[in-house]
Amino acid sequence: DTGVSQDPRHKITKRGQNVTFRCDPISEHNRLYWYRQTLGQGPEFLTYFQNEAQLEKSRLLSDRFSAERPKGSFSTLEIQRTEQGDSAMYLCASSLISDQPQHFGDGTRLSIL
Amino acid sequence: SQQGEEDPQALSIQEGENATMNCSYKTSINNLQWYRQNSGRGLVHLILIRSNEREKHSGRLRVTLDTSKKSSSLLITASRAADTASYFCATAFNAGGTSYGKLTFGQGTILTVHP
Repeated sequence: DTGVSQDPRHKITKRGQNVTFRCDPISEHNRLYWYRQTLGQGPEFLTYFQNEAQLEKSRLLSDRFSAERPKGSFSTLEIQRTEQGDSAMYLCASSLISDQPQHFGDGTRLSIL
Repeated sequence: SQQGEEDPQALSIQEGENATMNCSYKTSINNLQWYRQNSGRGLVHLILIRSNEREKHSGRLRVTLDTSKKSSSLLITASRAADTASYFCATAFNAGGTSYGKLTFGQGTILTVHP
């Protein structure tokens, strides 16, 4: 169990640029989740995958956001035309099945200049 | 939107004292989970309690669940400076007896344990 890894840990970019984050879940975990966390708040759900299928997207996930999980392994989260309000910590988590504890990565902190 | 509300928002205690955090939620749940988060890090799972359970223990942690009041509490006994962190409760929505798995988090309790 090598844990959930996320890359990069920090991303600083200018408003309007596109950014992509990567998440590598625990290898045997079928479920993969993305959350967003702003300062002083709990994480908010964005989307989740069962293997390669994206099963649900939050209303928080505007058209500028897209997530993929090709072949049911790693996942990417892309934000196009970044805005100031996108500044947050983006957390990835994985679990074996739906009602088991989720294992979180250390997140990618996005700062928009 | 945040479903859970946690109380207190911040708690400051001395090493060796007990810490109690409370969580309330609004919808029918499949399970409730508690997580810890150290500054700048991801969340670490502590305990999962299912809707048909009332109490669960893990080491110095004790969690209770009252589904009639839609509330839960986390007790940390004999606290240590290393317990300093933010603590979050999270609920998994119950959809016809199954859980979709996605979690709805509270705003968290910031616990500071002074040596």
